[in-house]
Amino acid sequence: NAGVTQTPKFRVLKTGQSMTLLCAQDMNHEYMYWYRQDPGMGLRLIHYSVGEGTTAKGEVPDGYNVSRLKKQNFLLGLESAAPSQTSVYFCASSRPPGATGEQFFGPGTRLTVL
Amino acid sequence: AQSVSQHNHHVILSEAASLELGCNYSYGGTVNLFWYVQYPGQHLQLLLKYFSGDPLVKGIKGFEAEFIKSKFSFNLRKPSVQWSDTAEYFCAVNEGLTGGGNKLTFGTGTQLKVEL
Repeated sequence: NAGVTQTPKFRVLKTGQSMTLLCAQDMNHEYMYWYRQDPGMGLRLIHYSVGEGTTAKGEVPDGYNVSRLKKQNFLLGLESAAPSQTSVYFCASSRPPGATGEQFFGPGTRLTVL
Repeated sequence: AQSVSQHNHHVILSEAASLELGCNYSYGGTVNLFWYVQYPGQHLQLLLKYFSGDPLVKGIKGFEAEFIKSKFSFNLRKPSVQWSDTAEYFCAVNEGLTGGGNKLTFGTGTQLKVEL
């Protein structure tokens, strides 16, 4: 049982390049989330998904797109990377409402945009 | 929308000292509260959580937190810290999202350094 995994672990991009971050979970969780973590700002929600084929915007969605084609995977895309997107990105998953609300986090992806 | 305040940004303690990290949240209704810990280079792990019942919650590694509804607080405590407790600690509150799902609103974190 791997929990929540993320690939890649590290990435350096040039301004304007694109990339996709992959999140996978093996806990059969309905809900998945992408957060970014910046110094002194805690974690902020980018996008989330309440089930396969559905996505929604969080607090800071601009510049990102997501897809949830399979229940176990949640992809975060950057179409044209900007230095402001330099951050650590965490994926999380949770069970539906009525359960604990606890979220399980992946190990993170450290992205640097030059 | 919820907000979470952690007033201690950096804390330095000697081993065996007692720890208390403050956390205040803004919402006045029913809340679910969490403390997560992030050890250097690692992902967030759940320390403890409060949903209902006894306001004194015990978590892993000897940590506990007390929910005080009248003060909108959920402070984290440990009677005697160890060097291995060096980490960043995040308080979070659960908030429902339109259409389902739960958003965690995090505080800005407290960096704890425990010196030998």
